[in-house]
Amino acid sequence: NAGVTQTPKFQVLKTGQSMTLQCAQDMNHNSMYWYRQDPGMGLRLIYYSASEGTTDKGEVPNGYNVSRLNKREFSLRLESAAPSQTSVYFCASSVNRGTDTQYFGPGTRLTVL
Amino acid sequence: AQSVAQPEDQVKVAEGNPLTVKCTYSVSGNPYLFWYVQYPNRGLQFLLKYITGDNLVKGSYGFEAEFNKSQTSFHLKKPSALVSDSALYFCAVTSLISSGSARQLTFGSGTQLTVLP
Repeated sequence: NAGVTQTPKFQVLKTGQSMTLQCAQDMNHNSMYWYRQDPGMGLRLIYYSASEGTTDKGEVPNGYNVSRLNKREFSLRLESAAPSQTSVYFCASSVNRGTDTQYFGPGTRLTVL
Repeated sequence: AQSVAQPEDQVKVAEGNPLTVKCTYSVSGNPYLFWYVQYPNRGLQFLLKYITGDNLVKGSYGFEAEFNKSQTSFHLKKPSALVSDSALYFCAVTSLISSGSARQLTFGSGTQLTVLP
């Protein structure tokens, strides 16, 4: 039981390049989330998927897109990376959206030059 | 709207002493409160949560938190700190809206705990 896994662990991009961050969970959770973590700002929600087939914007969705590929997988895409997107990205999942505990992956450290 | 404040960026305590990491919140309605811990270069790990009931919540690794509704606080505590407790701690809150669904989880900015040997 791996929990929540994320790939890659590290990535360096040039401004304007695109990439997809992958996330998978093996806990049979319905809800999945993407956060970014910046120093002194805690975690901010980018997008979430309350259940398979649905996605919704969070607090900071601009510049990102997501795909809930199936119940296990939830990907985050940067179409044209900008230096402001330099951050650590965390995927999380929970049984259902709302008050259920969220469980986090190990993170992806992204640098945009 | 809802918010979480962690008033101390850093807390330092000596090993063996009690520790407290402070958290205050603001929500409309009843809060659902969480504490997470993050070790260097790792994801967040769940410690404990308060939904309803007993104001003292016990969690992992000997941590506990006390919910105080009148002071809108949810401070994290441990009776005897260990060097291995040194990490970044996050408080988070959510609440229900009138439809019964929940707002997104809102995190505090984090408190860096250092336990000195």
